[in-house]
Amino acid sequence: SQQGEEDPQALSIQEGENATMNCSYKTSINNLQWYRQNSGRGLVHLILIRSNEREKHSGRLRVTLDTSKKSSSLLITASRAADTASYFCATDARNNDMRFGAGTRLTVKP
Amino acid sequence: DAGVIQSPRHEVTEMGQEVTLRCKPISGHNSLFWYRQTMMRGLELLIYFNNNVPIDDSGMPEDRFSAKMPNASFSTLKIQPSEPRDSAVYFCASRISGRTDTQYFGPGTRLTVL
Repeated sequence: SQQGEEDPQALSIQEGENATMNCSYKTSINNLQWYRQNSGRGLVHLILIRSNEREKHSGRLRVTLDTSKKSSSLLITASRAADTASYFCATDARNNDMRFGAGTRLTVKP
Repeated sequence: DAGVIQSPRHEVTEMGQEVTLRCKPISGHNSLFWYRQTMMRGLELLIYFNNNVPIDDSGMPEDRFSAKMPNASFSTLKIQPSEPRDSAVYFCASRISGRTDTQYFGPGTRLTVL
């Protein structure tokens, strides 16, 4: 069963704009991760944020975590056409057990 | 590092046939995961192994599905008999348990059951 739920399901923006995707989950977690999937390919890990962290940065990526609201957000700044992909959040509630959301399909128009 | 290797990349078969999907995890990784991805259901965890031992197979949809990991470098997911609703992309992923939470995904096997 899925744990994380991404919002929105689809997002279309212009190149250079920022993209924000949200993830909500149901149970307590050890950490939350964001993955990216290009069409027809496997998922690639982007960033991990632990339950005791509130914000994390990696290049143009910024992730926040609010454990009281059981939610996370992924911000991609200055988006590029190459950022077009599906983005998934995954929660690790128990050791070795990770659940993925349904994903947000991001389209960045050049 | 070659990454997670899956074979075949594409499989087309007829309903009722047996299908075997293969996965070679990254060397040194001791946890292995099988996922299924469809448009309708998204990415579903089917089963995962830790040190070659199945830990949680609650995601395996039916008895027609079985998975094995005979050694640290090889795993199979078998569907017998296959049905059209099994058509999906099947991903294998591996990671080092206890050291990093990041999973490394293979390229997937696209299965079509006619």
